[in-house]
Amino acid sequence: GAVVSQHPSWVICKSGTSVKIECRSLDFQATTMFWYRQFPKQSLMLMATSNEGSKATYEQGVEKDKFLINHASLTLSTLTVTSAHPEDSSFYICSAKTSGWDTDTQYFGPGTRLTVL
Amino acid sequence: GQNIDQPTEMTATEGAIVQINCTYQTSGFNGLFWYQQHAGEAPTFLSYNVLDGLEEKGRFSSFLSRSKGYSYLLLKELQMKDSASYLCAVMDSNYQLIWGAGTKLIIKP
Repeated sequence: GAVVSQHPSWVICKSGTSVKIECRSLDFQATTMFWYRQFPKQSLMLMATSNEGSKATYEQGVEKDKFLINHASLTLSTLTVTSAHPEDSSFYICSAKTSGWDTDTQYFGPGTRLTVL
Repeated sequence: GQNIDQPTEMTATEGAIVQINCTYQTSGFNGLFWYQQHAGEAPTFLSYNVLDGLEEKGRFSSFLSRSKGYSYLLLKELQMKDSASYLCAVMDSNYQLIWGAGTKLIIKP
């Protein structure tokens, strides 16, 4: 089946620094990628939707200048948390879907746990 | 390798009961999640099991057997709005989520 990877798995950073998280579709071309934030035992909160080659669409309440998303290729999207603060500590999950044979299914990555000190 | 298996699609009748199974093989275990996802929407958290047994929450129940690497989600008194994809995900020893491909549940009147 389709595989989505994220890198890094874990990251610890100091307050005020920026962190980049990568999301890759390994065996398919992802025309659309989604970034979610997960709080313990809660639903995934959609942060933004990105389509390859165009600007990301952010959900209400998500600061686009703080959470920079780049979907430069059909297999890679990046989320950069700029000037991270402790309240940004969370589990970030990406998902990807293709425009081809299986347009309804999202394939989820394993997540990246961010801890801001 | 790590693997989560769940049926691709299931069909059930409104008012009936359906059981969606999930089997897993992972490097360690730190809990199993069930999510519901309607088309075009973000996954909604349904349940989290880390100990063996049945957890009941209204019309939905989730069961876990760690020794068998097995879980199921039981939906009772099915309603048309329950038509959705149901995702099983296991958190491994590195606290990474391993996702199943999802089960598309179709409810018929």
